[in-house]
Amino acid sequence: DGGITQSPKYLFRKEGQNVTLSCEQNLNHDAMYWYRQDPGQGLRLIYYSQIVNDFQKGDIAEGYSVSREKKESFPLTVTSAQKNPTAFYLCASSPPGGRGRYEQYFGPGTRLTVT
Amino acid sequence: GQQVMQIPQYQHVQEGEDFTTYCNSSTTLSNIQWYKQRPGGHPVFLIQLVKSGEVKKQKRLTFQFGEAKKNSSLHITATQTTDVGTYFCAGLRTYKYIFGTGTRLKVLA
Repeated sequence: DGGITQSPKYLFRKEGQNVTLSCEQNLNHDAMYWYRQDPGQGLRLIYYSQIVNDFQKGDIAEGYSVSREKKESFPLTVTSAQKNPTAFYLCASSPPGGRGRYEQYFGPGTRLTVT
Repeated sequence: GQQVMQIPQYQHVQEGEDFTTYCNSSTTLSNIQWYKQRPGGHPVFLIQLVKSGEVKKQKRLTFQFGEAKKNSSLHITATQTTDVGTYFCAGLRTYKYIFGTGTRLKVLA
C-alpha cells in the first residue's frame, strides 16, 4: 500500500528468539518510522530515521533494534529482551524535507505473535 | 511524559447521526494530523492542520485546531457505514509524532 511493503503479514515465534520484520519503500522518502500497536490502543513510536545511516530511539525502544543502510529499507529486530513482543507492528515513511511535517504513509503491518 | 488523549474511546451512532472526537495534548504541538484506520487495516492520512485556530473541511468531515495548538477535533456530519473505523490524531513535537489513543466509531445501519 502506498509503495510501502511489510513482510510477512503474520509471524509466529517462540519466546527467546530474535525476529526481524521487513519494511521496504519505493517512494523515495527520507524519513521512516516503526510503531507498535496493541489492541484497542494508539500507536507508540519505537524508532525513527530521518536519513540513511542515522536513526533515533522513540518512546519504547527497549528490546528493539533497527538499521538504515539503504534509503529504501528500515528493518526492525525484535530481540528476546523485549518483554511483551506480541503486537501489530507498523512501518511508515514520509516525504523528504520539512522536518517531519508531512503525512506519513503506512505499510500494511506485521502481526507478530510470540508464544 | 508527552501524552495525547482522545475522547471518547468508543462511539456507536445510528447512520445519519453526527459524530465528534476530541484530541487533547499536554503540550503545544507544531501541527496535528488525523488518520483513519479501518478494522484490520493500517492508518491512512486524512488531513494536517498547522495554524492556530485553523479549520478545514473534507466533504462531511470538519477538522479544527485549537487556538493554543493543544487540542483538535474531528466532526463527521451525517455518518455513513463507510465511516466505520478508528480515528487517530497525531501531534508533531520536534521530529516525532505523538499519536492519540484513538476513537473507535461504529455506525449502525
